[in-house]
Amino acid sequence: QKEVEQDPGPLSVPEGAIVSLNCTYSNSAFQYFMWYRQYSRKGPELLMYTYSSGNKEDGRFTAQVDKSSKYISLFIRDSQPSDSATYLCAMRANTGNQFYFGTGTSLTVIP
Amino acid sequence: GAVVSQHPSRVICKSGTSVKIECRSLDFQATTMFWYRQFPKQSLMLMATSNEGSKATYEQGVEKDKFLINHASLTLSTLTVTSAHPEDSSFYICSARVLRPYTEAFFGQGTRLTVV
Repeated sequence: QKEVEQDPGPLSVPEGAIVSLNCTYSNSAFQYFMWYRQYSRKGPELLMYTYSSGNKEDGRFTAQVDKSSKYISLFIRDSQPSDSATYLCAMRANTGNQFYFGTGTSLTVIP
Repeated sequence: GAVVSQHPSRVICKSGTSVKIECRSLDFQATTMFWYRQFPKQSLMLMATSNEGSKATYEQGVEKDKFLINHASLTLSTLTVTSAHPEDSSFYICSARVLRPYTEAFFGQGTRLTVV
């Protein structure tokens, strides 16, 4: 079983839709959870960062962490064509350096 | 957030030559730097982790003599692909992490290496 599971998609939504992206994980030691956005041929860009369980909101983006279910989500409200990218979840434990990444979900927002 | 600069963004080289890729943390001192390789439509594959002043820790299956990593200072790490072959063609990405004030990692822009 992979440490982090993420549906690769592709996911295609109309402009203005609410997008829900999800990852599940198996290691209960993970405490830090991140979402990165990666445009084609570019490096990943940090979008959201959450420690432990709970919600975090930043503009149109909301990150949720449910540690009891080992499930994290990223919601994008009022999606825009410029949101079209691959979204990677990442997480790590409290100790150690290693980050564990999902495979990424490819999102296309259609104007 | 912190800024990580990676150069070059694209490089084409001939088989048998070596290519050096630089990764710099511009506004923070990176205690740890990571080098990843990414194939099309796939996630990041960790190649090695390096801490300033010490030898890099390579992931299983990554040839340390082929992918030379130097982390000489807290702001600079380099990856040298030696005796490059076409199968080394890929997208290489570095990321940097500092313990405080950040615990997350920040990524460079990536380097598209094509070996012909």
